[in-house]
Amino acid sequence: NAGVTQTPKFRVLKTGQSMTLLCAQDMNHEYMYWYRQDPGMGLRLIHYSVGEGTTAKGEVPDGYNVSRLKKQNFLLGLESAAPSQTSVYFCASSYGTSGMAETQYFGPGTRLLVL
Amino acid sequence: AQSVAQPEDQVNVAEGNPLTVKCTYSVSGNPYLFWYVQYPNRGLQFLLKYITGDNLVKGSYGFEAEFNKSQTSFHLKKPSALVSDSALYFCAVRRLTGAGSYQLTFGKGTKLSVIP
Repeated sequence: NAGVTQTPKFRVLKTGQSMTLLCAQDMNHEYMYWYRQDPGMGLRLIHYSVGEGTTAKGEVPDGYNVSRLKKQNFLLGLESAAPSQTSVYFCASSYGTSGMAETQYFGPGTRLLVL
Repeated sequence: AQSVAQPEDQVNVAEGNPLTVKCTYSVSGNPYLFWYVQYPNRGLQFLLKYITGDNLVKGSYGFEAEFNKSQTSFHLKKPSALVSDSALYFCAVRRLTGAGSYQLTFGKGTKLSVIP
C-alpha cells in the first residue's frame, strides 16, 4: 500500500515550457486535491476533484489545468510555466464522503523551479 | 469566511519541556478543526482533528489539542517535547465551497524547534 505518490520529485523548467505532474493513490479515495506550498503562505488549493471525471477550481487555479480520467490518478498541468509557479506542489486524497470531516492524505511533494 | 490563524511563525522549546503551538479560528457554525505536521522534505501528516464532543482531542505521537469555543482557539500541546518533534505544524479548518463540497483551509504554519 503505497498511499499517495507523486512524480516527478523535482523538475526545472524554463519560462514558457509545459509539464504535467502526476499524482496516484491506491486507497480508492473519491476526492483528490492539488496544493502549492510557498514560504509564509501555507498551503493553497489549486484544483480538486470529487470523483472520476470531475474537477473544480480551488483558491489559486490560474495557470493550471487538471484531469481525473481514472479514479486513482489526478494530473496537474502547466501549459506555459512562469517563474511565479516556482513552488512545492502537493497532492492529497480523501474518502470524501459528503458532509463528513475527512482526513486528507498527502504525497511527498514535487519541487518545481521555473527559470 | 472560514479561516484559521497561527500567530507564531516559530516556537522554540527545550527538550523535555511542554510545548504549545497556537491556532485560532474564525468560522460560522460548528468548526471542524485539524492539525497536520510536516517534517523536512516530506508531505503533511495528519495528527488529530476535532469534530464534536470532548474538548481535549488526543492524536498521534503523544500530541493533543484543546478546543476552546469561548476563545475560538485550538492549540496543539505535548507534555514533554522531543527533538524529533521539530517540524512545521499546520492548523486547518473545514469549509464548505460554493460547489457544495468540503475543503480545508490551512494556516500559514508554525515552525517548531526543540532544542536539546
